[in-house]
Amino acid sequence: DAGVIQSPRHEVTEMGQEVTLRCKLISGHNSLFWYRQTMMRGLELLIYFNNNVPIDDSGMPEDRFSAKMPNASFSTLKIQPSEPRDSAVYFCASSRPGIYGYTFGSGTRLTVV
Amino acid sequence: GDSVTQMEGPVTLSEEAFLTINCTYTATGYPSLFWYVQYPGEGLQLLLKATKADDKGSNKGFEATYRKETTSFHLEKGSVQVSDSAVYFCALSDRSNDMRFGAGTRLTVKP
Repeated sequence: DAGVIQSPRHEVTEMGQEVTLRCKLISGHNSLFWYRQTMMRGLELLIYFNNNVPIDDSGMPEDRFSAKMPNASFSTLKIQPSEPRDSAVYFCASSRPGIYGYTFGSGTRLTVV
Repeated sequence: GDSVTQMEGPVTLSEEAFLTINCTYTATGYPSLFWYVQYPGEGLQLLLKATKADDKGSNKGFEATYRKETTSFHLEKGSVQVSDSAVYFCALSDRSNDMRFGAGTRLTVKP
């Protein structure tokens, strides 16, 4: 079991550019969560999917953020256009049916300059 | 809505000291309770969990007991090591699998 895999691990981009973060779920997991972590705001849930369907996107900051889950094992989080205040560590996590907790990826550290 | 409140950090201890990190919860139903640990530069890892009242979760020398009467799930370890330095998150989840995390408590253990 390779765990939840995120790419890239680090991303530095200029303000206004499009950024795409990627996440591969663990086989057999049917829920996918995107989180953002900053020193100021801590861990924030952005959006989560269940069986590929977005269930709650109320945490998505604004229309510049979008997330997709084109199949059961893969998800993307896109920011277009990016702004310096988007700089953070973005985590995805997955879970399987039942009370097993979440498995987190190692995160993508995004820096927008 | 459901939520957890954990003690603010940072917490600094000497090696072999006793650790307690307090966590209390508010929930309308009967949630499952979790502790996660985040080491520097890594994602959160599930440390232990308890799914019903009076259950004790344990892992790597850490323990927490689900106390319904005090709505608490305090994390304890009898003798901490330098390698336990990390940020610890208390969390709860209802049947919908929607996990609510606390703000995190940073622990530093000095040799």
